[in-house]
Amino acid sequence: AQSVAQPEDQVNVAEGNPLTVKCTYSVSGNPYLFWYVQYPNRGLQFLLKYITGDNLVKGSYGFEAEFNKSQTSFHLKKPSALVSDSALYFCAVRGLSSGSARQLTFGSGTQLTVLP
Amino acid sequence: SAVISQKPSRDICQRGTSLTIQCQVDSQVTMMFWYRQQPGQSLTLIATANQGSEATYESGFVIDKFPISRPNLTFSTLTVSNMSPEDSSIYLCSVVLGQSRNYGYTFGSGTRLTVV
Repeated sequence: AQSVAQPEDQVNVAEGNPLTVKCTYSVSGNPYLFWYVQYPNRGLQFLLKYITGDNLVKGSYGFEAEFNKSQTSFHLKKPSALVSDSALYFCAVRGLSSGSARQLTFGSGTQLTVLP
Repeated sequence: SAVISQKPSRDICQRGTSLTIQCQVDSQVTMMFWYRQQPGQSLTLIATANQGSEATYESGFVIDKFPISRPNLTFSTLTVSNMSPEDSSIYLCSVVLGQSRNYGYTFGSGTRLTVV
């Protein structure tokens, strides 16, 4: 079975400071990893994904994520946070092997608050 | 990426009634999924909508409560039957476009359901 853990329900950071939202995963074989963002009363917006290749993935709105296979992590980062980054962030995973479930499995979500 | 039109965007329904949610995609997609997001919670997969056959339901979800149709490769409906206040959630359609490893998972804007 595949699973995702987001250990922090809430992350607070001052505007202009770097931010990190943590994610660890469990999946059979190689993973297919995603980050999504959800603003209030909105659907999920895609930020970035990792399939293979460079461990540092760059995505929308200046976000990036680092895939670490040995630690089974895929933490979301941004060098300088904006107040407008305040939202709910979800990490998701699926396996790439032929026997893997085809749907995404989501973490519990992390509420990011950027303080002015 | 695919463009998804999900309707209605929100509704307030009386307990004991049913609501049908529509998901229309602007291109043929290989996979379609229905998720539920309960208040303050993460996304939980309800079922995979299969074109021309019965949907595949996840543990805890049954066809009598959440009947799903997918008559073609661009359209699906989810019905929430005999509603109770516990069914108040956001319901999201998700699609996968393409067969390659570079395909992405796109989400509709969601249907916010309140049962009173």
